[in-house]
Amino acid sequence: EPEVTQTPSHQVTQMGQEVILRCVPISNHLYFYWYRQILGQKVEFLVSFYNNEISEKSEIFDDQFSVERPDGSNFTLKIRSTKLEDSAMYFCASSEADSGGLYEQYFGPGTRLTVT
Amino acid sequence: AQSVTQLDSHVSVSEGTPVLLRCNYSSSYSPSLFWYVQHPNKGLQLLLKYTSAATLVKGINGFEAEFKKSETSFHLTKPSAHMSDAAEYFCVVSVGQAGTALIFGKGTTLSVSS
Repeated sequence: EPEVTQTPSHQVTQMGQEVILRCVPISNHLYFYWYRQILGQKVEFLVSFYNNEISEKSEIFDDQFSVERPDGSNFTLKIRSTKLEDSAMYFCASSEADSGGLYEQYFGPGTRLTVT
Repeated sequence: AQSVTQLDSHVSVSEGTPVLLRCNYSSSYSPSLFWYVQHPNKGLQLLLKYTSAATLVKGINGFEAEFKKSETSFHLTKPSAHMSDAAEYFCVVSVGQAGTALIFGKGTTLSVSS
């Protein structure tokens, strides 16, 4: 069964450094998403992406964050200058184009980001 | 605006007994509702979804949920718990269109004892 993959599984970085989290969505999906889950808190939406543009973003997704589809398979989340509070599990998800109102997001296993 | 409230942060059951995880939602639109499960050190897996078809939705691993508009509820049930059901469960609401955010509840930790 096709699945979303994410690399690395764990990333440790120092405050102020740039990090790039990578995701390979399911191949025929057209919508891509990033969510995060700070330890002990709920999963929060960051951004959705379609047709090489941001479709929707949350208040969390400020100028420190950016997303990119650099090629036909990868989808990346960049944090320009990491803060301690960016430490979280980051989940990538993908979904097919809306068809008949059915809509389901498939999640990857996550990347645990630790900022020291 | 949409929101989800999971009424229990932790539920403990014995193996073989029924499971009930409670969820109430608030939505300005006709919502799509989901239950996701997260096993330790694993990603989020879709258990089941409601998208305005049948109000009783059957999912994987024997789970089901009933959409009750009058009560704005979408409780998750299973007749008989198994040890492998121990995990974190998230109730999720969305407007149901591609590209829009999923709004997660805080999660319910299900513990299953033998």
